[in-house]
Amino acid sequence: GAVVSQHPSRVICKSGTSVKIECRSLDFQATTMFWYRQFPKQSLMLMATSNEGSKATYEQGVEKDKFLINHASLTLSTLTVTSAHPEDSSFYICSADTGTKAQYFGPGTRLLVL
Amino acid sequence: AQSVTQPDIHITVSEGASLELRCNYSYGATPYLFWYVQSPGQGLQLLLKYFSGDTLVQGIKGFEAEFKRSQSSFNLRKPSVHWSDAAEYFCAVGTFSGNTPLVFGKGTRLSVIA
Repeated sequence: GAVVSQHPSRVICKSGTSVKIECRSLDFQATTMFWYRQFPKQSLMLMATSNEGSKATYEQGVEKDKFLINHASLTLSTLTVTSAHPEDSSFYICSADTGTKAQYFGPGTRLLVL
Repeated sequence: AQSVTQPDIHITVSEGASLELRCNYSYGATPYLFWYVQSPGQGLQLLLKYFSGDTLVQGIKGFEAEFKRSQSSFNLRKPSVHWSDAAEYFCAVGTFSGNTPLVFGKGTRLSVIA
């Protein structure tokens, strides 16, 4: 089956620093990837849709200047949390569309901002 | 826009007992339906999906789900629960449109007791 990886799996950073999270489709090409955010004991909320070669589409309430998304190739999308603050601490999950209506999720990245 | 309701926040069952997790969706056309499982601190694992055809779908780990259009439901079932099934279960809906994100329910936490 399709495999999606995320790196890092866990990151701790100081407030004010930036953190980059990578999402890779390992055995297929994904023109579209999605970034979700999950707070403890809550469901996944879509943050943005990442399209290869174009600007990401952000959901209402998500600051595009704070959550920078780059989809430079058909197998890689990155999410950069700029000037991270404690309230940005969360579980970030990406998914990739295989083009067959099936989405495969990465294992997630747990971000803790101190 | 589509939406998903999982009426049960938390369910506790005895090991060996049968399980049914409820999921209702709202969407104007035929949806794509998914069930995912998430263990604590882990990413999402796809249990099963419904796109078309047979309304009873078999998944991994002995799970099955039945799509009932008249009830707008896609309930997940397992005839005999194992302690390792304890996790959070998410129902999600997608659409026929390509490259669209999934909309998730709030999840149902399953506890299994001896």
